[in-house]
Amino acid sequence: KAGVTQTPRYLIKTRGQQVTLSCSPISGHRSVSWYQQTPGQGLQFLFEYFSETQRNKGNFPGRFSGRQFSNSRSEMNVSTLELGDSALYLCASSLVTANYGYTFGSGTRLTVV
Amino acid sequence: SQQGEEDPQALSIQEGENATMNCSYKTSINNLQWYRQNSGRGLVHLILIRSNEREKHSGRLRVTLDTSKKSSSLLITASRAADTASYFCATDAGGGANSKLTFGKGITLSVRP
Repeated sequence: KAGVTQTPRYLIKTRGQQVTLSCSPISGHRSVSWYQQTPGQGLQFLFEYFSETQRNKGNFPGRFSGRQFSNSRSEMNVSTLELGDSALYLCASSLVTANYGYTFGSGTRLTVV
Repeated sequence: SQQGEEDPQALSIQEGENATMNCSYKTSINNLQWYRQNSGRGLVHLILIRSNEREKHSGRLRVTLDTSKKSSSLLITASRAADTASYFCATDAGGGANSKLTFGKGITLSVRP
């Protein structure tokens, strides 16, 4: 079966712009989680969506938001980009919860200049 | 914030040797999971061990969990050059709808041919 698909793979944006990243989970998976990975902070949890509702949220500013559609596809949006937002953004899908393990996408590499 | 801390931070071994990686965590958990990441791509789920389990095997992987010491170890036997990657432990402390994974900073494993 198809894996987790993240688009785009690479993005270069300018400070102050906004960006939308997309994630299509494995068919049948209802939970989608987003992580930010940077060399300094490692993997940081952004939020999790389940059945179109945000179920868990990490400690990120309100500039980071997301949503999930009825087909479980998810998007995350970052507004007013800052240089520090440069990171690898990873999407992970699971059947119901993290208790079953995650399947990760290949990530979107965002560079803010 | 990091829940799990891996040790050592970096490990270099010869092909055919065994690699042992350790993870310590701070709070009670429902399960602990190990993931592998190759060159900044997505993470691959290796193995999940629940809090009521002490040891699990999967192919060349052996994971132990000691909840009294809040620690886990991952053993890769007969290592191969293809095992070169970063390895992360992740803990799920929430359970149920509050399940989410908190990752350590990772261990860089280099396997020399």
